[in-house]
Parts: sequence; structure tokens; C-alpha cells
Amino acid sequence: AQSVTQLGSHVSVSEGALVLLRCNYSSSVPPYLFWYVQYPNQGLQLLLKYTSAATLVKGINGFEAEFKKSETSFHLTKPSAHMSDAAEYFCAVSDRGQAGTALIFGKGTTLSVSS
Amino acid sequence: GAVVSQHPSWVICKSGTSVKIECRSLDFQATTMFWYRQFPKQSLMLMATSNEGSKATYEQGVEKDKFLINHASLTLSTLTVTSAHPEDSSFYICSAGRTSGGETQYFGPGTRLLVL
Repeated sequence: AQSVTQLGSHVSVSEGALVLLRCNYSSSVPPYLFWYVQYPNQGLQLLLKYTSAATLVKGINGFEAEFKKSETSFHLTKPSAHMSDAAEYFCAVSDRGQAGTALIFGKGTTLSVSS
Repeated sequence: GAVVSQHPSWVICKSGTSVKIECRSLDFQATTMFWYRQFPKQSLMLMATSNEGSKATYEQGVEKDKFLINHASLTLSTLTVTSAHPEDSSFYICSAGRTSGGETQYFGPGTRLLVL
């Protein structure tokens, strides 16, 4: 069965600092991988996705993630944090991204950004 | 494009009543929609897969008689929480993928249910 592990339930950074949110997956075959962001009392917004094309994926709001098969990782990074990046971030995996396949989510990482 | 709406966004009800939540894909068709439940400070847990024109598929531990799902058209799925109790209070989120294919799930804004 597929699973996703997000290391660190809470990450705190200063404004302008590097953001690194960790995600490791478990799957027998390379899956499709996603990062979503959730602001309080709102739904999920797709940041970026990996679908077996380029291993370095660029998303919205300056975020990017690199798929590393050897490490079964898909860590999310942003060079310089903004206050508006404070939110909950979820890594998710699906079985080769079939339209009829649900996502399996990690437990989430809360990002705090201080001035 | 690819907008999913949910209605209502907030609902407060008395224990024992039933609550219906609608999930609509506004600008695309979705053969399959998914219903998730999220408790405070926790991740999303899949409750069921809603299939247009057929019965929903429920995850283990989810009571199908309590959480009734109807997917009457390619753009609408409803989740009815029957005889709601305080422990059903949660944030319910739906998602949908395009019938035409593609790997991305589009999420609704969620519905917060509070059962008194």
C-alpha cells in the first residue's frame, strides 16, 4: 500500500529564509506526487505535482520540489519565505494519477514565518 | 478552470438531524468525486469514492448508512450525514478529477459541520 510521511509537523522560519518541507513516499512503483497548501478554514490548493516528466518541478508562489527516486523523497523548497507562506502543507501520492484514484495524504506540516 | 464548489460552507445543527452537503464541479465533468474528512490539526482521511450513476465505495470503518452519498450527475455529488451526533463534527472536503483524464484532483473549499 502507498503511504506518505512528512517529517516535522511544524517548521518555523524567518522571513527571507529558506523553506524546506520534507516528504517521503512508499510505493512499489513511481507514483504521482503532489504538494497542496491549506489556509485556515479553506480547502486545498495545488502547489505543484510530479508526473514522471522532469524531476525538478516548479510550482506556484515560488515553490519547487525535486523527485528523488533513490531516496523516495519529494521535498518542497522555497528560497525565500514570505509571511504569506504561513499555512498547512500536505504532501500526497496517487497511483499513477488515474482520474478515478483518490489521493493519500501525509499528516501535514505547519509552516510558521516570523518577521 | 477546474473549480469545485461546496455548499454550505458552514452548518450548525442539533444532534439527531440530517445534514446534506453538496459538491459541484463548476466547469468540468467529473465521473468520480471523493469525500474526505479532516479533524482539527490533522490530515485528510478519505471517506468514500463517489461514482456517477453507481454506488459509492466506502473506506474501511466508514458507515455507509450514516454517510449517504449520491452522485446524480457528472457535476454533482452529495454527502448526507444522517442522524448527526457531536462526534460527526468535522471539516468535510470533496475533490474531483476530470472525466477526460489527468492526474490532478481539484478540491472544494470544504464544509465545516458542528453538531450540538
